[in-house]
Amino acid sequence: QVQLKESGPGLVQPSQTLSLTCTVSGFSLTSYHVSWVRQPPGKGLEWMGVIWTGGSTAYNSLLKSRLSISRDTSKSQVFLKMNSLQTEDTATYYCARDRAGSPFDYWGQGVMVTVSS
Amino acid sequence: DIQMTQSPSSLPASLGDRVTITCRASQDIGNYLRWFQQKPGKSPRLMIYGATNLANGVPSRFSGSRSGSDYSLTINSLESEDMAIYYCLQHNEYPFTFGSGTKLEIK
Repeated sequence: QVQLKESGPGLVQPSQTLSLTCTVSGFSLTSYHVSWVRQPPGKGLEWMGVIWTGGSTAYNSLLKSRLSISRDTSKSQVFLKMNSLQTEDTATYYCARDRAGSPFDYWGQGVMVTVSS
Repeated sequence: DIQMTQSPSSLPASLGDRVTITCRASQDIGNYLRWFQQKPGKSPRLMIYGATNLANGVPSRFSGSRSGSDYSLTINSLESEDMAIYYCLQHNEYPFTFGSGTKLEIK
């Protein structure tokens, strides 16, 4: 069945780089896009960016200068890297399956990331 | 970017009530509108797609509708398991944008 699972460090120091991995199963990264969505504690959802089936990417303009999404199709993994982290980046980070006209039908469980010294 | 204005932010209701949550799009998004339910500590769950279609496994007391740029989620005969935060999402164009959320709670 379709599954997505995020992994990464729970704590990152300010100004450092966040690296997260989304490992998927039950579908191919060449058939479905994968988006990253984050949610600060007690707040709403924010779309961060997407990696499309062809490997191209698109980013939220508010994060574009700090964010990079890549993938390894052989390992069914999607990677998120975001630099210059600040306390405002403290959030639960989700990856979600995406397809033209049918986004976010499946989500990962999320990974909580705290930015603190 | 397309703004999704969601209201109300909080909705106290009693079990058995009929409730409606609304999102207004700042630009035309057609029917590229989805509704998600999120319970504490859980990932969002797709409830409605294409503005009016029920996702798999969603109870029939949930329904979606559209009137112009206003999109609504209605829950008939509220049950305790429906208490959650609901978000709309426009996916007509990137960047996808969510509404700010509506917290449905027991009165």
